[in-house]
Order: sequence, then C-alpha cells, then structure tokens
Amino acid sequence: RKEVEQDPGPFNVPEGATVAFNCTYSNSASQSFFWYRQDCRKEPKLLMSVYSSGNEDGRFTAQLNRASQYISLLIRDSKLSDSATYLCVVNTYNQGGKLIFGQGTELSVKP
Amino acid sequence: ETGVTQTPRHLVMGMTNKKSLKCEQHLGHNAMYWYKQSAKKPLELMFVYNFKEQTENNSVPSRFSPECPNSSHLFLHLHTLQPEDSALYLCASSLTNVEQFFGPGTRLTVL
Repeated sequence: RKEVEQDPGPFNVPEGATVAFNCTYSNSASQSFFWYRQDCRKEPKLLMSVYSSGNEDGRFTAQLNRASQYISLLIRDSKLSDSATYLCVVNTYNQGGKLIFGQGTELSVKP
Repeated sequence: ETGVTQTPRHLVMGMTNKKSLKCEQHLGHNAMYWYKQSAKKPLELMFVYNFKEQTENNSVPSRFSPECPNSSHLFLHLHTLQPEDSALYLCASSLTNVEQFFGPGTRLTVL
C-alpha cells in the first residue's frame, strides 16, 4: 500500500465548478498535512496546511479526518488558473520528519 | 521570487560525464533536501541535511553524491549516470522540517 494515495486524475471541469480531491495516508503516526500545488514544469508550492479542525482559504477548504486517515481539498468556483497538479503531502515525525508526497491529481479547468 | 535557487536549470550529459547541481537558499533555513521527480511518479526524497549533517539517504545509488558545505548551499555531484536517471531534480529547504520551499529544479537528461 502506498504511504500517501490520491485520486487518480485527471479531473476536467468547467469554470465555476466545485471540485474535491481525496487523499489517504497509511501511517497513523503522521502529524502534519499539506496540500501543495505544482504547475506544469514548475516546482511544487505550498497551497495550504491542513488542520484537524479544517481550514479555509478563500475558495479552498481543507479537511482532515485522523480516524479515517483521510485528507480532502475542496475548490469552489474554480478558475482557469487553478489548472495544476495538486499534491497531498504528509509529514511523519517518527520517520525523521520527512515529507511523503502523493502522486498528485491533475486538474484542468476549461472555459 | 523563490528564496531557493538552483543551477543549472537544464542539463544534458553523457553517461561518462561528471557534473554537479547547485542549490542555494536565502531563507535562513537549517534543513535542505534533494528530491527526484520522474514523469508520472511522486516526488522521491533522495537526501536530507540538517545543519550541514546528512540525516537521510534514501537508498540512493552512489553515482549521486551530495555535498552540503554550509546551511545555505547544497550540491549534488553526478557521475556515470544512466538514462533512467533523467528527471527533474528539485532542491528544497525548511526551517522546522515541516513546510518546505522548493527551488525551480534542474531538468536533467542523460544520453
């Protein structure tokens, strides 16, 4: 089983749509959770951290369910500029604090 | 502007060549990382340095040799690479081993 597993993509949605990405992780000792965004042929950039209480940043909402070892990212009113690959990332301190990346889910927002 | 710079941005080398990738961070971070990103695969952590000391070597072949002379600079020395080593090599840095900031990467092609 992969340590971090994401929805296989790609997701093709029209502008204005709401899209949700799902991610599961295997190590119950994982402590920190993130969503990174990676544009084509560019480096990953932190989109948002994910907190147990859930958090929102504008059109983006992240949720964490520790019991189910599940993380989600919701994008509302999607824009063309949201087209990118979204990476689910988990930090597990008992593995030296290294980040484990999911394989990414590609999103393409069409006019 | 990213606080992590990488040079060169593109590199083409033969299997018998020796080359080096350079990474520099201007963020005052104490940890630096090398990742490999191949097409359609998750980011693979290669090496981790904390305060110039190597704390992780993720079973990387010896044809990749890292060097960290100080907390701001990280090198990846390459020799006798194989075509399957062609990939995007990303450097990252962090302050707390949690949120990582990535450089733009070096796109390496081994002929």
